[in-house]
Amino acid sequence: ETGVTQTPRHLVMGMTNKKSLKCEQHLGHNAMYWYKQSAKKPLELMFVYNFKEQTENNSVPSRFSPECPNSSHLFLHLHTLQPEDSALYLCASSHYAGTGELFFGEGSRLTVL
Amino acid sequence: KQEVTQIPAALSVPEGENLVLNCSFTDSAIYNLQWFRQDPGKGLTSLLLIQSSQREQTSGRLNASLDKSSGRSTLYIAASQPGDSATYLCAVGDMRFGAGTRLTVKP
Repeated sequence: ETGVTQTPRHLVMGMTNKKSLKCEQHLGHNAMYWYKQSAKKPLELMFVYNFKEQTENNSVPSRFSPECPNSSHLFLHLHTLQPEDSALYLCASSHYAGTGELFFGEGSRLTVL
Repeated sequence: KQEVTQIPAALSVPEGENLVLNCSFTDSAIYNLQWFRQDPGKGLTSLLLIQSSQREQTSGRLNASLDKSSGRSTLYIAASQPGDSATYLCAVGDMRFGAGTRLTVKP
């Protein structure tokens, strides 16, 4: 148990669906992250939030829409996805963006049909 | 742009061997470097964090070193066990990850 919880663990959706991934951290951290892990590719940073403010958007397509209502919760809203978006989506947190130890959740395995 | 490389991509060793995993990075201006372990289909588990001012960190059978001037970090695993089988990743800061080394320890 890392203190970072992601739901759902598995998600199958069609290209026209709208779904959301949720992440919650119980570590008192101020920064939260979304990463994408595709087969045979290094982990890719998608978004960073520091004190609820987005500080990094790594050229992510607009069909991925993050939301950070407070320092403990992070969402990734998904709409009109493509099959190539199928991947493991990992959430992480740290004390402050760019400076601290990263703690990861177990990930949400997304399959887009 | 920071590039992170891990060699080898895969490693298979018999139980009990000491082994070294390598991580190299192109920009020495780093804040920290972190080593992780990832089991299949799971998230990343933090193993060791080395701040830029440090040269090494130790936890149990694991020892990680950092040489910023040469752009290298190594993860040393002593007396390997089958339970150490996993993919090991290094990360420079929170932005750049290596592709990982898949380790198999055979009984």
